[in-house]
Amino acid sequence: DAGVTQSPTHLIKTRGQQVTLRCSPKSGHDTVSWYQQALGQGPQFIFQYYEEEERQRGNFPDRFSGHQFPNYSSELNVNALLLGDSALYLCASSPFAGVSFFGPGTRLTVL
Amino acid sequence: GIQVEQSPPDLILQEGANSTLRCNFSDSVNNLQWFHQNPWGQLINLFYIPSGTKQNGRLSATTVATERYSLLYISSSQTTDSGVYFCAVGEGNNRLAFGKGNQVVVIP
Repeated sequence: DAGVTQSPTHLIKTRGQQVTLRCSPKSGHDTVSWYQQALGQGPQFIFQYYEEEERQRGNFPDRFSGHQFPNYSSELNVNALLLGDSALYLCASSPFAGVSFFGPGTRLTVL
Repeated sequence: GIQVEQSPPDLILQEGANSTLRCNFSDSVNNLQWFHQNPWGQLINLFYIPSGTKQNGRLSATTVATERYSLLYISSSQTTDSGVYFCAVGEGNNRLAFGKGNQVVVIP
């Protein structure tokens, strides 16, 4: 079992650009959630996907969007990047209403 | 949303010492997990413990759901225990609310 995987590991972008982050869930898990972790803070919930639909959303603007594919993998898209979007982005997978397991994260730097 | 407070924010321990980390939360929850974040940012699952007590080696955890708190015990600490410990509580269907973490440094 490969566990939760994320790509890329690191990413550098400039303000105004768009970025796509990817996540493959743990085998047997059908729910994917995304979190943003700023330096020195705890992770903040962005949104959750189940059955290819966004089921819950945290307090993040519409610039943050996502997608879940039939194989349960997921993408996080961020448009019109701001300096404040620099953070560690974490993907978590779980069975619906079960224990969450996290991937290694993607560290995004916006210059 | 649910508020999660962790204490103490920072802890320095001599190797071999014991410690207790505390997590208070503001509402009833159906999910509570403790994680250890390694220096590369990966969140490692320690316990899934919405109620009761569990032990895993030198670590143990207790959650008293009726009083809205959880405790993580580290016994005979080792330098590899250093890092940030997070408590996360579930607001339904695995939407987790995290505390700010406990930064633990174990000195040889």
